[in-house]
Amino acid sequence: AQKVTQAQTEISVVEKEDVTLDCVYETRDTTYYLFWYKQPPSGELVFLIRRNSFDEQNEISGRYSWNFQKSTSSFNFTITASQVVDSAVYFCALSTGANSKLTFGKGITLSVRP
Amino acid sequence: DAGVTQSPTHLIKTRGQQVTLRCSPKSGHDTVSWYQQALGQGPQFIFQYYEEEERQRGNFPDRFSGHQFPNYSSELNVNALLLGDSALYLCASSLEGAGGLNGETQYFGPGTRLLVL
Repeated sequence: AQKVTQAQTEISVVEKEDVTLDCVYETRDTTYYLFWYKQPPSGELVFLIRRNSFDEQNEISGRYSWNFQKSTSSFNFTITASQVVDSAVYFCALSTGANSKLTFGKGITLSVRP
Repeated sequence: DAGVTQSPTHLIKTRGQQVTLRCSPKSGHDTVSWYQQALGQGPQFIFQYYEEEERQRGNFPDRFSGHQFPNYSSELNVNALLLGDSALYLCASSLEGAGGLNGETQYFGPGTRLLVL
């Protein structure tokens, strides 16, 4: 069975603060894929990043960065210098080499105040 | 390049009725997956279609059925609607191929909000 835990439910920060969204996953498969999606109030899930289990290199894309640590089964997402437009629900998701369905966490609601 | 499209955007039904939701995948994609997202929850996998056949299914009753057409578009049908079926229904497309085990990125449509009264 596979599971994704996003222990934080709601986070509120002031604009320009840095914020880290935590994600812990569980799977017995050695081949798996991790994703982050953003869901603004409109409802559409916007893809942010995909990582496979063989690539532990951290990634930076503009103000976004991701820290993948297999030793702690975590795939955390940091937004640097947050902006009001970053306000949304963020989901971490997992699929495995045996099953391409996505298993989602419960999501983290991020509010960035001006 | 058109993304994933879904219709209708909103729908109101009463208990016991049947509903059909539609999805057109992103250009070049061959696989369509459907998810149900209840308020305040993460999306839950319903099923996935590839080559007009259901390839995987989540823990949903047989009231939920689907179809994929030769042009890769897909329909989700729900029979005998219950109040608990009220949710956002999301369609996602990907290019999985015959193997379907490569964890390809799924791109989501805007969803259909279903309200059952």
